[in-house]
Amino acid sequence: QLQLQESGPGLVKPSETLSLTCTVSGGSISKSYYWGWIRQPPGKALEWIGETYYTGNTYYSSSLKSRVTISVDTSKNQFSLRLSSVTAADTAVYYCARRREYYSGLEFWGRGALVTVSS
Amino acid sequence: QSALTQPASVSGSPGQSITISCTGTSSDIEAYKFVSWYQQHPGKAPKLMIYDVSYRPSGVSGRFSGSKSGNTASLTISGLQAEDEADYYCNSYTTTGAWVFGGGTKLTVL
Repeated sequence: QLQLQESGPGLVKPSETLSLTCTVSGGSISKSYYWGWIRQPPGKALEWIGETYYTGNTYYSSSLKSRVTISVDTSKNQFSLRLSSVTAADTAVYYCARRREYYSGLEFWGRGALVTVSS
Repeated sequence: QSALTQPASVSGSPGQSITISCTGTSSDIEAYKFVSWYQQHPGKAPKLMIYDVSYRPSGVSGRFSGSKSGNTASLTISGLQAEDEADYYCNSYTTTGAWVFGGGTKLTVL
């Protein structure tokens, strides 16, 4: 069974860069899937951040595009999120997830990682 | 892209049916068949319930169904059960190549 696990610092200072990694186990990242990041501020709705194809093609939310980088490392079966110049508004649970090519629907999700932006 | 519009809350009694709407624009829901729905219980990751407007993943109860008309998608839950009480989110592909979620709907089973 495919599993996704987010990892990274749980506390980031304002103006610094948030970095998270999603490790994929039970399946290869180098197949016809899109690997994405979604976040959820405490008590608020889900927000789509962006996604990457295993070839490295990326797509980002227009509201975060200037600050976001998503990359994939097929040798480690991982993909990563970097969000620069963070503020308290970036405090959220960050989820990684997988979508099949040509279909909607994020069918596999990680358990989520809480990242707090505070000095 | 702006978030899709969902009612903040809906409620129903056990055994009843409820429908949650998700309204978008000609640049998202109306333009594609790529609408999905997620169920989220408190403190848990979202779970895919419907993809491509009306398809259920393996293991999802047949009580859940999806549809779309114009710029509005809908999720219907029939035979409400206590375990259905959760937050529900819609999601759609957009003409910009990005995806957008709805604001979420809290379902209360009375």
